[in-house]
Amino acid sequence: DQQVKQNSPSLSVQEGRISILNCDYTNSMFDYFLWYKKYPAEGPTFLISISSIKDKNEDGRFTVFLNKSAKHLSLHIVPSQPGDSAVYFCAAHTGGKLIFGQGTTLQVKP
Amino acid sequence: GAGVSQTPSNKVTEKGKYVELRCDPISGHTALYWYRQSLGQGPEFLIYFQGTGAADDSGLPNDRFFAVRPEGSVSTLKIQRTERGDSAVYLCASSLIPGLVNTEAFFGQGTRLTVV
Repeated sequence: DQQVKQNSPSLSVQEGRISILNCDYTNSMFDYFLWYKKYPAEGPTFLISISSIKDKNEDGRFTVFLNKSAKHLSLHIVPSQPGDSAVYFCAAHTGGKLIFGQGTTLQVKP
Repeated sequence: GAGVSQTPSNKVTEKGKYVELRCDPISGHTALYWYRQSLGQGPEFLIYFQGTGAADDSGLPNDRFFAVRPEGSVSTLKIQRTERGDSAVYLCASSLIPGLVNTEAFFGQGTRLTVV
């Protein structure tokens, strides 16, 4: 069973617009959530995280929102840039390890 | 080196053969993780080392998979009697402190294993 789900395999947005990537989870015991970005032939790189006791964390153009009652989190990128084009993974922390979603491929068009 | 290094970057092997995949973590990082990423999927947890010992090996799919970290630094993932279904990118990550809360794991570029 998939404990962390990213239901949109791909997303395409215009440069300068907002990108919204979504993630759902099933385990209410997850205590920390992270977003990773991955370029082809590279390992995932950390982007932003949020503790389960918070509902928002912002870092520059990136903001993560957490809705615990809905078991849903989202990553907002604004404004989107062509260099943001990559695969984005949502991950949840439990017991010292990360559980990843399937990923969403973001394409930002110039 | 500055980051997590994995060798080889690509490995093609025949079904039934034995393979070893190596991970050099960031110097001083006590925690080391192995993940496997199949095509179109997210990374899937395999095993987590704290120092020399395996703190959690619940993700290893079967007894053909084994990993060691004898001196608490370099780790080797060993796969016996490889099967075509083992084909994936194998990712290694390390972190400074145990667990991943309030810290981040740094990933290597991965080893792409292809079993033919």
